[in-house]
Amino acid sequence: QSVLTQPPSVSAAPGQKVTISCSGTSSNIGNNYVSWYQQLPGTAPRLLIYDNDKRPSGIPDRFSGSKSGTSATLGITGLQTGDEADYYCGTWDSSLSAGLLFGGGTKLTVL
Amino acid sequence: EVQLVESGGGLVQPGGSLRLSCAASGFSVSGKYMSWVRQAPGKGLEWVSVIYSGGSTFYADSVKGRFTISRDNSKNTLYLQMNSLRGEDTAVYYCARDAYSAGYYFDYWGQGSLVTVSS
Repeated sequence: QSVLTQPPSVSAAPGQKVTISCSGTSSNIGNNYVSWYQQLPGTAPRLLIYDNDKRPSGIPDRFSGSKSGTSATLGITGLQTGDEADYYCGTWDSSLSAGLLFGGGTKLTVL
Repeated sequence: EVQLVESGGGLVQPGGSLRLSCAASGFSVSGKYMSWVRQAPGKGLEWVSVIYSGGSTFYADSVKGRFTISRDNSKNTLYLQMNSLRGEDTAVYYCARDAYSAGYYFDYWGQGSLVTVSS
């Protein structure tokens, strides 16, 4: 069980909006920046959001990130069937000597 | 264009060894922090190890003393030497390029290399 808590699954219809939460503590999210990763079935993870709310080039503005206190949220608007994937949050934790702490992942189903 | 290509995975018996490679292109591994991240079958992501541009190395507690991260600057390649392998090390291993701006994250990932530890 990860220190960063994500819902195991979320679902929504095509064209709708969905949010995925990532809950932590002051040791991680509360005092550090959050990144989000998308993992399409059978593929490697891909960076979606960094520094809480910034998108790398090539990531559509349908994807957004936010952070408040010890929680972070990934938002996806205008859902497409191609968005079906696992989504992971990540951040630094004060217990780590190095590296990144990941959430347990959320499976998004586009109905 | 940044690319990371892993190789070296396969089936190994418990207690055995394996070395993973990650060939980089489009940048120099010597100038970046580079990590290994693994994903057990049906499970989430787990950070394994990092090598800093200055050469310092760090490991997750689960692999400390058994795994060694290194790089060959002349080949622009990252390595993960895995010894005393256990069943719980079975996973897809990804190499990833670390990035820093305000926060810390992984901006590029390889396609992954499957390691199966089984008798």
